[in-house]
Amino acid sequence: GENVEQHPSTLSVQEGDSAVIKCTYSDSASNYFPWYKQELGKRPQLIIDIRSNVGEKKDQRIAVTLNKTAKHFSLHITETQPEDSAVYFCAARSSGGSNYKLTFGKGTLLTVNP
Amino acid sequence: DARVTQTPRDKVTEMGQEVTMRCQPILGHNTVFWYRQTMMQGLELLAYFRNRAPLDDSGMPKDRFSAEMPDATLATLKIQPSEPRDSAVYFCASGLEGEKYNEQFFGPGTRLTVL
Repeated sequence: GENVEQHPSTLSVQEGDSAVIKCTYSDSASNYFPWYKQELGKRPQLIIDIRSNVGEKKDQRIAVTLNKTAKHFSLHITETQPEDSAVYFCAARSSGGSNYKLTFGKGTLLTVNP
Repeated sequence: DARVTQTPRDKVTEMGQEVTMRCQPILGHNTVFWYRQTMMQGLELLAYFRNRAPLDDSGMPKDRFSAEMPDATLATLKIQPSEPRDSAVYFCASGLEGEKYNEQFFGPGTRLTVL
């Protein structure tokens, strides 16, 4: 099955700096890669996603890049703000058969210091 | 703003007791997922339903866990008997499956503590 590795497990940055979180996946058939943000005590919520036919996608201060050859994808947050502090999860979904389940990384705790 | 709902939000129980968690998926969604979240393991998929039929429960301890969808508006996750190692937050998520639709919408979770 799919295996997703996420690094780093914790990340601390100063407000205004950029933050980068990286994930690798094992199944070359995976074709969809979402990122979820989970604030303390809240539910995970989708913030951005990318499909395997696209190399980069941007939405305001967040962007995701995908390298299919190397089987890794990254989340980039620019001009970080204290409200960006949360746990971020990457995930990968295989296109095998009719199986649409996601495999999640173990998460990155991002702390943005004012 | 349609949302996935879960009950109870918090549950404290004694070891050996039965625990039932309920989830109401977003109306019209055809897939339901149950996840368990712990600090050590992160988000683990326990069960996955499509059109109320179980597709994958390989992540679920079969001896004590069971998941069902009695109808399209209700999914249940049951633990019997519960053990302290089951303490975790259990999330339900729903989605509309297909290549065009991707997002899984998570419920608020049930925080389970087994003493």
